[in-house]
This record gives sequence, structure tokens and C-alpha cells, in this order.
Amino acid sequence: EIVLTQSPATLSLSPGERATLSCRASQSFSNYLAWYQQKPGQAPRLLIYDASSRATGIPARFSGSGSGTDFTLTISSLEPEDFAVYYCQQRGNWPLTFGGGTKVEIK
Amino acid sequence: EVQLLESGGGLVQPGGSLRLSCAASGFTFSSYAMSWVRQAPGKGLEWVSAVSHIGTSTYYADSVKGRFSISRDNSKNTLFLQMNSLRGDDTAVYYCAKDNVGFDSWGQGTLVTVSS
Repeated sequence: EIVLTQSPATLSLSPGERATLSCRASQSFSNYLAWYQQKPGQAPRLLIYDASSRATGIPARFSGSGSGTDFTLTISSLEPEDFAVYYCQQRGNWPLTFGGGTKVEIK
Repeated sequence: EVQLLESGGGLVQPGGSLRLSCAASGFTFSSYAMSWVRQAPGKGLEWVSAVSHIGTSTYYADSVKGRFSISRDNSKNTLFLQMNSLRGDDTAVYYCAKDNVGFDSWGQGTLVTVSS
């Protein structure tokens, strides 16, 4: 099973700042890496697929990068609605796995 | 508009069974693989199970293998999760999700509580 480790667990930032979230895999796999955003009481929302492709309707301030075992989600300038929990997920190997999440909170 | 509506959750005793359903609309259900993902209270996301678009291939997390069974009825646009031998650590909100290039659509979830 591929274990995904997200860091940091919590990121305290102000609106307008840049957020950089990390997702590290226990072994290399194809770039079938997705990122999701989840707000309290809501279902997750797909942001990024295949490591760097934005899903439909996702603003350009969200970008994904990386390959092999190291992946990054960047939010270029935080909007108030971006404060949430973010999860990475690998879709390259069974069983599918999620990272533990990074909470982006208002500083 | 894609809609996924889960049902079937509730309170069940340890060792009991439940069958979850997910009614899909707004897309060609038979063209997409589907998954169940759960989230224990205050915890992160855990993928549970997946089924191929025609139902011939199924996949499970180790934590549920041998106890849960995923299936689908493409004639009724419905996904199922049969859960047997339920344990306390199965308590969670269960989401169904449409698998495209990622899980691009999710239901609102149904709560399963395993407790005596």
C-alpha cells in the first residue's frame, strides 16, 4: 500500500498569502495524484488531477506540481473561501489511498 | 447536473449489517467507475471500495476486505455497498463518488454508526 504523508498538518496564513502544501509518497508511482478541498460539513471537491491538471471550474490560483514521490499543491494568493482542509490521493495503485490532510487556517 | 444521493445509513449494533445505496443522475452512470469513501468523525478521508463501470472488477481496502461488498445496477443507475460484520471503527460518513480522472463528483454522504 502506498502511504501518503502530508505536511504540514496545519498551515496558518493570512488572506493574500501563498500556500504551499506537500504530499510525499512511500514509493514512486505514476502521476495519478489528485488534490481535494473539504470544508466543514461538506463533501470533498476535486481540485487537481494527474498531479498538475486543474479540474473543471477550479480557479487558476490553484496549481499542482511534482512527480515520483513528491507532490505540491500551491495556492498563489489565498482567498477567504480557501481556508479548508486539503487532501492528496493517489490513484496509480490499488488500494487507493489518501493523505492525512493539511488544514489551512486563518492566521 | 450530476447528482449522487446516498441512503441506507443508520445505527447498527456491532456484528450487524447494513446496505448502502447511491442513486446517480445527470450523467451516463454505466460509463464510469464508482467508489465509496468514508470519513470517521473528526478524521480524514479513507477510500473503501471501487467497482468498474460494468461491475466486473471490484477493489477493496484491506480494512473492509471480506466484510464489505460493492456492486452496481446500471439499469437503475444505482451503486451499492453491502456491509457485514460491522465494527465500531466502521462508524463514519460514507460518500459515493464518481471516478473520472479523480473523484469529480461526490454525494453528501450517509452516516453509519456502529454501537451497542
